[in-house]
Amino acid sequence: AQSVSQHNHHVILSEAASLELGCNYSYGGTVNLFWYVQYPGQHLQLLLKYFSGDPLVKGIKGFEAEFIKSKFSFNLRKPSVQWSDTAEYFCAVGYQGGKLIFGQGTELSVKP
Amino acid sequence: DVKVTQSSRYLVKRTGEKVFLECVQDMDHENMFWYRQDPGLGLRLIYFSYDVKMKEKGDIPEGYSVSREKKERFSLILESASTNQTSMYLCASSFTRGSNQPQHFGDGTRLSIL
Repeated sequence: AQSVSQHNHHVILSEAASLELGCNYSYGGTVNLFWYVQYPGQHLQLLLKYFSGDPLVKGIKGFEAEFIKSKFSFNLRKPSVQWSDTAEYFCAVGYQGGKLIFGQGTELSVKP
Repeated sequence: DVKVTQSSRYLVKRTGEKVFLECVQDMDHENMFWYRQDPGLGLRLIYFSYDVKMKEKGDIPEGYSVSREKKERFSLILESASTNQTSMYLCASSFTRGSNQPQHFGDGTRLSIL
């Protein structure tokens, strides 16, 4: 069965630190990959997505992610985090029928 | 912008009650989904629907049912609520069945079963 794994459950950073959140998936076919963010008290919203082409994709709010097929990974990065990036981040894989499989989520706390 | 509206942000019910959670989307999307979100477990799919009157089980359908009488509305029903159904429930919609379709989420309903 397909699965998505996010290894970091809770990450604490100071403002201006660099961020990398890990995401690994198990799926043998063509993958469509997503990162979602959930700010406190708000709905999940799409940060970025990868379908094909350039494996380095850029999303909103300065986030980017790199698809490495050989490692089955889709890690999320940001060069310099802000306090407002405090949120929970979810990696997801799209598969048949438009369903998404989500990872467990990573809670990011940014200290001012 | 897609708007997915869930009828309640917070709901408190008693064990054994029949509970209805309502969700409406305003973008004529074909697909609608119900998830529950629990700490450390991410989002788990309960049920989904591709069209009116169609429904399919997700990963954790036990204890739940759904109804889709109109394209824009998707209801989740807890037939006889139990304390282990205390959770955050999220509704989502997407345009078509393609695996590259992002889903759009509502604000969630935090349900407590006493």
